[in-house]
Amino acid sequence: EIVLTQSPTTMTASPGEKVTITCRASSSVSYMHWYQQKPGASPKPWIYETSKLASGVPDRFSGSGSGTSYSLTINNMEAEDAATYYCQQWNYPSYTFGAGTKLELK
Amino acid sequence: EVQLVESGGGLVQPGRSLKLSCLASGFTFSNYGMNWIRQAPGKGLEWVASISSSSSYIYYADTVKGRFTISRDNAKNTLYLQMTSLRSEDTALYYCARHTIGALFDYWGQGVMVTVSS
Repeated sequence: EIVLTQSPTTMTASPGEKVTITCRASSSVSYMHWYQQKPGASPKPWIYETSKLASGVPDRFSGSGSGTSYSLTINNMEAEDAATYYCQQWNYPSYTFGAGTKLELK
Repeated sequence: EVQLVESGGGLVQPGRSLKLSCLASGFTFSNYGMNWIRQAPGKGLEWVASISSSSSYIYYADTVKGRFTISRDNAKNTLYLQMTSLRSEDTALYYCARHTIGALFDYWGQGVMVTVSS
């Protein structure tokens, strides 16, 4: 089973700040998906196949990476971006999620 | 509009059983693989089980293998999770989610709470 390690676990960012969340896989994967979850709500697909933005996701978000290292970046942090972000991958026969990164507004 | 509505949760004693259901609408249910994903209170997401569109392929997380059974009824647009030998560590919000060919969970239900406690 591939283990996904996210960093940092928690972070705070000020409006306008650049934010980078990292997800490292224990073995090479083909791509990474990312989800956003706010308190009391179901997770939403946010970035899929490493770099494609899901419907409705602002273009200040971007995703990149390959092999065992992937990242989600926010250019110009906004209040509405405060949430927990999870990375996720599929490697036969199981899906795995990272432990999540809680992003708070400073 | 795609909708996934879970039901069947509740409070159950350790060692007992419970069956969850997820009613799907707004898409051709029989064309998609489906999953159960859970989230313990204050914790992260944990994939539980997956079933292919025709039930040909079924996979489980090691933490539930041998205790949980995923199934579906395409005529009723419904996904199920039969949970047996429940433990306190199974306490969580259980989500039903659809997956794409690219293994993305693109639609999620609102979740149903399962509490295992004496």
